[in-house]
Amino acid sequence: AQSVAQPEDQVNVAEGNPLTVKCTYSVSGNPYLFWYVQYPNRGLQFLLKYITGDNLVKGSYGFEAEFNKSQTSFHLKKPSALVSDSALYFCAVRDTDSGYALNFGKGTSLLVTP
Amino acid sequence: NAGVMQNPRHLVRRRGQEARLRCSPMKGHSHVYWYRQLPEEGLKFMVYLQKENIIDESGMPKERFSAEFPKEGPSILRIQQVVRGDSAAYFCASSPWDGDSGANVLTFGAGSRLTVL
Repeated sequence: AQSVAQPEDQVNVAEGNPLTVKCTYSVSGNPYLFWYVQYPNRGLQFLLKYITGDNLVKGSYGFEAEFNKSQTSFHLKKPSALVSDSALYFCAVRDTDSGYALNFGKGTSLLVTP
Repeated sequence: NAGVMQNPRHLVRRRGQEARLRCSPMKGHSHVYWYRQLPEEGLKFMVYLQKENIIDESGMPKERFSAEFPKEGPSILRIQQVVRGDSAAYFCASSPWDGDSGANVLTFGAGSRLTVL
């Protein structure tokens, strides 16, 4: 079985400050981990993914995420937040032992204030 | 490249009617996924299809829901005898064939919002 948890419904951060959106996962095999962003009334857009290799993954719009196997976490980070980063962020996991479904967390709403 | 196209964007049905949601994958993509997004919940996987073949339907409700991806034309998610609990946003995503590596990125459509009165 596979699952992903985003413990925070909402994250608030001031523009220019660093941001972190948390994600933990549970899989029986090896995880493939993804972050997507959703703007209002739009579909999800891919930000970055971890498949193998370097634990620090860099993605679109200055976002990055760090895979931590011992803590089963894949937190999304950005050194300096922009107001335009305000959106709904989804972490997703695919378990290499469990088939094709990409399972998403409930999402975390990020609000960046000027 | 028009991306993943879903229609209708908004659909209103009365209880007991049928809803048909269409999804045209991105050009060159052979795999289609359907997800449902309910208020206060994340995206829930429903079904994964290739052309003329259902690969994984483990997330589909056992009754009233069906999906197809014919050789020609869009993928269709069909909900028969809709109930109010079916009101949700339904998202389609597509991806290219990746040899079953599981690493492929999904490209999402803008979604179809179903309201059941």
